[in-house]
Order: sequence, then structure tokens, then C-alpha cells
Amino acid sequence: AQTVTQSQPEMSVQEAETVTLSCTYDTSESDYYLFWYKQPPSRQMILVIRQEAYKQQNATENRFSVNFQKAAKSFSLKISDSQLGDAAMYFCAYRGGGGADGLTFGKGTHLIIQP
Amino acid sequence: EAGVAQSPRYKIIEKRQSVAFWCNPISGHATLYWYQQILGQGPKLLIQFQNNGVVDDSQLPKDRFSAERLKGVDSTLKIQPAKLEDSAVYLCASSLVATGSTYLYEQYFGPGTRLTVT
Repeated sequence: AQTVTQSQPEMSVQEAETVTLSCTYDTSESDYYLFWYKQPPSRQMILVIRQEAYKQQNATENRFSVNFQKAAKSFSLKISDSQLGDAAMYFCAYRGGGGADGLTFGKGTHLIIQP
Repeated sequence: EAGVAQSPRYKIIEKRQSVAFWCNPISGHATLYWYQQILGQGPKLLIQFQNNGVVDDSQLPKDRFSAERLKGVDSTLKIQPAKLEDSAVYLCASSLVATGSTYLYEQYFGPGTRLTVT
């Protein structure tokens, strides 16, 4: 079974600075997908960024980028120019390459933005 | 495009009572998921439907939980009888398809139903 580990229960960053959230995972599959989701207090899960394991290039979406290290099974999220609206729970998630699987989530990291 | 709809948003019941949650996925989405999110944890998949058939229910506590997706559209998740440990947020998600391009099976989540069992 796949597992996803987020070792940082809480992170704090000053507005406009950069923060990195960590995620490691364990799988025996070679083809899979990784995601970062944001969950604000409204509880709505919002997809932040996705990474296909077969792609060597790290995904980037505006201020959000990932550092995907396949051999190390590491998938960290970097948020640049942090904004107050970035404050939320962030979840790392894994999905098997078959595509039919549901998501396996980590326990989440609570991100606090200091004004 | 309307998102995934869920109701109710909140529900408080006593233990041993029954409760049902409703989900309406995005129009045209063939795959529907129910997740349970206990406070302080990430969501856990309970059941996955492809159209009106069950694809994966390996983590569904079948002695008390049941789910159905009639006509391959709306879905209902039921708990009977509820236990204190069922207190959680129940999230519904849907995706266009289950295989193929990543972008086709990206999951879209509803706002969730917060259940409190007293």
C-alpha cells in the first residue's frame, strides 16, 4: 500500500517570503501522479499543482513550484512571494498510475502567513 | 460550470442514530469518490464509483456504512448506526474519467459535510 508522509504539522512564513513544504511517499509503482491540495477553513479542497512521475521536469504554477526527487521519493512544494490568501492546510496526495485509484493523502501541513 | 454539490453542510446526531449525505457531481463526470476526513488528518478514500458500479470499497466499514449511486449521477452515503468515531468531514469528489490523460481524471471536490456524533 502507498503511504504519504508530511513531517511538518505547521509552518509559518512572513508575507512576501518563500516557504517550502515537505512530502515523502512510499510506493512500489513506477508510474504514478503526485498532487498538492490546499484546504482553507471553508473545507473546499483546491488543487494547487500536479506532477506526473514520468516527467523529469518539475511542475510550476505561477508562485507555486515543486521539487520532485523520484529516487528519493520526495515531493516538496515551494511557495514564493507568500500572500495572506495562501494561509490554509496543504495536503500532499498520491495517485497510482492506473488512474482508477482514489487519492492517498498525507496528514497535512498548516501554513500560517505572518503579515 | 457548477461544482460538486453536497448536502447538508452540517449534521449533528446522537450515537446509534442514522444519517445520510448527498452528493451531486459535476455534470458528465463518470467517476465519483467519497472520502472521510477526521480532524487533524488527511482525507481517506471510502468508496469509488465508476458510473453506477463500485470500483473500490475496500476501506468502507460495511457493517455500518453503505453508499449507492443510482443512475450513475447522484450518490448517497449512509451511516447506520453512527458511532462517536464517525465524527468527521465527508468529502465527495468527481472526475471526468478514471483512466487516460491526467487532466481528464483530475478530481474536483465538494465543500464537504461536517458530521458530529454526540
